[in-house]
Amino acid sequence: DAGVTQSPTHLIKTRGQQVTLRCSPISGHKSVSWYQQVLGQGPQFIFQYYEKEERGRGNFPDRFSARQFPNYSSELNVNALLLGDSALYLCASSYEWTAYEQYFGPGTRLTVT
Amino acid sequence: AQSVTQLDSHVSVSEGTPVLLRCNYSSSYSPSLFWYVQHPNKGLQLLLKYTSAATLVKGINGFEAEFKKSETSFHLTKPSAHMSDAAEYFCVVSDEGYGANNLFFGTGTRLTVIP
Repeated sequence: DAGVTQSPTHLIKTRGQQVTLRCSPISGHKSVSWYQQVLGQGPQFIFQYYEKEERGRGNFPDRFSARQFPNYSSELNVNALLLGDSALYLCASSYEWTAYEQYFGPGTRLTVT
Repeated sequence: AQSVTQLDSHVSVSEGTPVLLRCNYSSSYSPSLFWYVQHPNKGLQLLLKYTSAATLVKGINGFEAEFKKSETSFHLTKPSAHMSDAAEYFCVVSDEGYGANNLFFGTGTRLTVIP
């Protein structure tokens, strides 16, 4: 079975622009979570979605938003990009929102110049 | 609030010698704890998890961890290091008590294995 997939793998944006990152969970998984991993640090929780509803939000500004589609895939949007948004963005899926095991995708490397 | 502290940012061992990666946690209730490994240019992989069952947890690739409530610790060990173990290791606590399954990651420990 395919694991969690994310697209694109890499992208470069300019300050002030907007970006959309995409995630497809493992087949049958209903929950998707997003994490930001800045170089040299551990991932930080951004959002969790379950059955198309937001279940949790980390300490990130309103420039960050996300949604989940009927097929359980998800998009993360970041508006008005700042240099500090440069990071690896990780998507993780789990079967239920309470499931302890989250399976991570390879990530999208975002560079803001 | 939930948090974890990884006591060493970098650990270096010789191949064939034991590995010890230290982690202390802070939680207002009985936590779920995990160790994840991240190899360069690869996704995070779950090594093992503790969810209030046996305090000694066995994971993949010969790793294990012991939950010690009295010491608020969850150290990761392996009897004999292999070159393929070189990677970044993250201790993680789950914050399910707030209605979502947030994972709080430590800052990571980079394991170097010397041939």
